[in-house]
Amino acid sequence: QKEVEQNSGPLSVPEGAIASLNCTYSDRGSQSFFWYRQYSGKSPELIMFIYSNGDKEDGRFTAQLNKASQYVSLLIRDSQPSDSATYLCAVVGNQFYFGTGTSLTVIP
Amino acid sequence: NAGVTQTPKFQVLKTGQSMTLQCAQDMNHNSMYWYRQDPGMGLRLIYYSASEGTTDKGEVPNGYNVSRLNKREFSLRLESAAPSQTSVYFCASSEISSGPDTDTQYFGPGTRLTVL
Repeated sequence: QKEVEQNSGPLSVPEGAIASLNCTYSDRGSQSFFWYRQYSGKSPELIMFIYSNGDKEDGRFTAQLNKASQYVSLLIRDSQPSDSATYLCAVVGNQFYFGTGTSLTVIP
Repeated sequence: NAGVTQTPKFQVLKTGQSMTLQCAQDMNHNSMYWYRQDPGMGLRLIYYSASEGTTDKGEVPNGYNVSRLNKREFSLRLESAAPSQTSVYFCASSEISSGPDTDTQYFGPGTRLTVL
């Protein structure tokens, strides 16, 4: 079983819609959770991180964490074509583990 | 402030050749990391350095060696390149000193390596 699992997609949403990206992890002791965005041919860049159960909002982005269910998600409101990228979930247990990423396409 | 820089950006090697990938950061971070990224495999940690003078193996260390030259620089060496090492290599750094931990990692632009 992989440490971090993501649906590889591709996920397509129309412009202005909400995109929902999901991630599950196996290590119950994991404490920190990150979402990175990676455009094609570029390096990952941090969108946001979350440490506590519940929601954390930053602009159009909301991260949601449920440690009991070992589940973390990212919601993107009012999706824009510029949001089209691969989104990587990262979980910190004894090491920093990345998921394989979900490819998102926002259709104008 | 350049952040994390990597050289070279592209490299083609023949099987058995050696090379060193260079990484430097100007953010005064304590921890540095080397990842490889392959299609469908995500980012996998090769080696990391929690602080100057220390290095530790990550998930996929075989075939690689590293050197933490000073606080700024962390190099990755392929002694005898194999086609299985064809990948995109990313260097990253983070602030805290206790290894891959609860802190944001900042990535360099990557090195695209092809081994023929």
